Parts: sequence; structure tokens; C-alpha cells
Amino acid sequence: GNSVTQMEGPVTLSEEAFLTINCTYTATGYPSLFWYVQYPGEGLQLLLKATKADDKGSNKGFEATYRKETTSFHLEKGSVQVSDSAVYFCALRGPLYSGGGADGLTFGKGTHLIIQP
Amino acid sequence: GAGVSQTPSNKVTEKGKYVELRCDPISGHTALYWYRQSLGQGPEFLIYFQGTGAADDSGLPNDRFFAVRPEGSVSTLKIQRTERGDSAVYLCASSLDGRANEQFFGPGTRLTVL
Repeated sequence: GNSVTQMEGPVTLSEEAFLTINCTYTATGYPSLFWYVQYPGEGLQLLLKATKADDKGSNKGFEATYRKETTSFHLEKGSVQVSDSAVYFCALRGPLYSGGGADGLTFGKGTHLIIQP
Repeated sequence: GAGVSQTPSNKVTEKGKYVELRCDPISGHTALYWYRQSLGQGPEFLIYFQGTGAADDSGLPNDRFFAVRPEGSVSTLKIQRTERGDSAVYLCASSLDGRANEQFFGPGTRLTVL
């Protein structure tokens, strides 16, 4: 079945530091890949996505590239801010042609990011 | 417009009791999803509705869990004979018309089974 593995947190960085949160996946075919973010006291929000190999998703200064050869979708940001403190979830959805169990998203366990001023 | 809403925000019940959790999707969204998030884990897929019908219920853990969406809008997740292991945050999401579209999540219902 599908699975997502992401680095465990918490990850603590100083403001303006470079961020990488690793994410690797196991899936058949070509899934769609997502990063969701959950800010304190708020619901899950889509941060970015990529639907095919070598696609780069980007939003709010964050980027992630869909790497089929390494089955990875690492999240990066060049200069983090205190307001980026949140829990980040990597997720996948099976290809549109796949069968049962593929309609929902499969999430990693989440990475708690703490940015200190 | 309004986002996905879920009620109640918190529910405390006793082992063996029956509970209902409600989800109001974004107006016009035909696809609706339920997930369960246990402490320290990512959300786990439970069931997906397209319109009124359950298109994929493969994530429901056992027959104590059931969900309905009789008019293709509001959905209710029903849990019979609750167990302490059912304690989690239950999330609802909706999307415009299914798998190819972004899922918008509600704030969740925190269920505690004593």
C-alpha cells in the first residue's frame, strides 16, 4: 500500500535559516504529492503540490520537487520566519486510474517546525 | 464564503456509548472525505463520498463506524459502542468534484472516550 515517511521533529531553527524537511514515499505508479501545513489553532491547509515527476510546487517561499527516481518530495525554504512555525505534513494521493483505497490522501506523521527570533 | 465546518468541536463520551459527528462541506462541493488523526500521527483516511454515495469506505476500521450523506451535502460520521482507542481528532474535508481537486479541511472534532 501507499505510505509516506517524513523526518521527525521538532525541528528548531533561527529566523532566516535555510529549511529542509525530508519526505519520501512508497506508492504504485505516479501519485500526486502534497505538503499541508497546520498553523497553531487552525485547520490543515494545502501549502503546495506536484502531480507528475520533476514538477516543482511552490508557495509562500516554500518549494518541493517531485523526484521519481528517489521517491522524494522534500520541502525547502531559503529563509524562514517566525510565522512559519507550524506542523507540516507530507501527503500523497494515488494515481487517478488506481483502485480502492486510493481516493483519500495518505499522510506522513507530521513535522513540528519551531522558528526562534 | 464559509469553509468546511464541523460540530461539535469537542465531544467527551463514555466507553460503549454512541456518537455522531457532523460535517458541513463548502457549498457546491460534491466530494466529501472523513479522516481520523490520532495524537502524534498524520490524518488517516476513513471514507470518501461523491454526492450521496460512499465511493470508497476502505478506510473505516470496523463495522462500528458508519457515515451517511443523504442529501449530498451535510455528512454524519456515526460511531457505535465507542472504545477508548477511538479517541482522536476526526477531520472532514471537501473538494469541488473529487480526486483531482484540492481538499479543504475543517477544524475537526476532538473525540475523547473515557
